[in-house]
Amino acid sequence: AQKITQTQPGMFVQEKEAVTLDCTYDTSDPSYGLFWYKQPSSGEMIFLIYQGSYDQQNATEGRYSLNFQKARKSANLVISASQLGDSAMYFCAMREGAYNTDKLIFGTGTRLQVFP
Amino acid sequence: EADIYQTPRYLVIGTGKKITLECSQTMGHDKMYWYQQDPGMELHLIHYSYGVNSTEKGDLSSESTVSRIRTEHFPLTLESARPSHTSQYLCASSENLFGGNTGELFFGEGSRLTVL
Repeated sequence: AQKITQTQPGMFVQEKEAVTLDCTYDTSDPSYGLFWYKQPSSGEMIFLIYQGSYDQQNATEGRYSLNFQKARKSANLVISASQLGDSAMYFCAMREGAYNTDKLIFGTGTRLQVFP
Repeated sequence: EADIYQTPRYLVIGTGKKITLECSQTMGHDKMYWYQQDPGMELHLIHYSYGVNSTEKGDLSSESTVSRIRTEHFPLTLESARPSHTSQYLCASSENLFGGNTGELFFGEGSRLTVL
């Protein structure tokens, strides 16, 4: 069964608008972590934001915020005021596993294209 | 800025050749990982290590092998390359989960392998 699901293969957004990229996850572990990474066409993976399962507040990092709805098992990424440089693949990932034997599992990604 | 390095960045090689993709990190991380990614697709974990002399196979079966003789070094070897091995290989490392560490992965820039 898919542990991380990203249902949007591609998204378009106009510059300066906000966009939400969806991510749902599946785990029975009470302790887990959720990550978003950006991958531009050059191929490197850039860490954007992290949310721990016990965090009470939604994570924010500059223009990025994570809409964490624990009961629904969703961790959507919100990018405010989109810029042309935001065009990239975006991957949601979940850290699972016991203490110090953990690993990250990635979703299939969403390709975001920002147009002028 | 992450200090994790992969060489070569690009490699074009003929079928049957032996190749080694190098990965080194200077952050003292115990945990290291290899992911395989086809263009525009999800990342698949193929190998991971939780410390020296520890290696495990990931979720995606791979004909490659890895070794972890030193903390900072985690090379990946293909004994006989085939066209089906053509892909991008991403190396990553992470800290242990204590002291508030999130388990974030720090990625290298990737090695793009093409087997003719």
